[in-house]
Amino acid sequence: DGGITQSPKYLFRKEGQNVTLSCEQNLNHDAMYWYRQDPGQGLRLIYYSQIVNDFQKGDIAEGYSVSREKKESFPLTVTSAQKNPTAFYLCASSIRVGTDQPQHFGDGTRLSIL
Amino acid sequence: KQEVTQIPAALSVPEGENLVLNCSFTDSAIYNLQWFRQDPGKGLTSLLLIQSSQREQTSGRLNASLDKSSGRSTLYIAASQPGDSATYLCAVFQAGTALIFGKGTTLSVSS
Repeated sequence: DGGITQSPKYLFRKEGQNVTLSCEQNLNHDAMYWYRQDPGQGLRLIYYSQIVNDFQKGDIAEGYSVSREKKESFPLTVTSAQKNPTAFYLCASSIRVGTDQPQHFGDGTRLSIL
Repeated sequence: KQEVTQIPAALSVPEGENLVLNCSFTDSAIYNLQWFRQDPGKGLTSLLLIQSSQREQTSGRLNASLDKSSGRSTLYIAASQPGDSATYLCAVFQAGTALIFGKGTTLSVSS
């Protein structure tokens, strides 16, 4: 079955530590996205990528970094510069960044601070 | 800056009721609007996508309407069931990047 796989499901970060969240898709989609969700809040865009080796900042990119070396993979690193990283992180993909293409989501990674 | 608002924030109904969830947006220059369902601790499942040129979309017991000029969309759920209990999110797509989301309506259907 085609889909988006996020791992791990739960992740804990120590002070001053960088952690990386994995997102893999086998839908052959060009576009991939990372969102952050806080309790009682809507999703906010962190980064997105339209194609391999390309990515752009979203609304809340500070303290995060991404790479897009392969079409199917879009890992997100939460750096020590992100002072409030506790949240639910969702990865999504779509055929392209376009007007008529729905986004498909993974099951998320919940990040907490130790 | 586009803002998406969903009312009510929470809704409780008995099984079998028909119900309407509301979504409003401040900038009518959208390309499409998408309704999602989110179960606790899970990702989002796409329910319906309405293009800006369309007025409504239907899937089973779900019907979504779009009035772009007034900045409103509704999600109608017919004959609600306990399995419909979830958070429903509305999101709009504008030129540029990705979706802009509302905060959601949490629905509880009791048997």
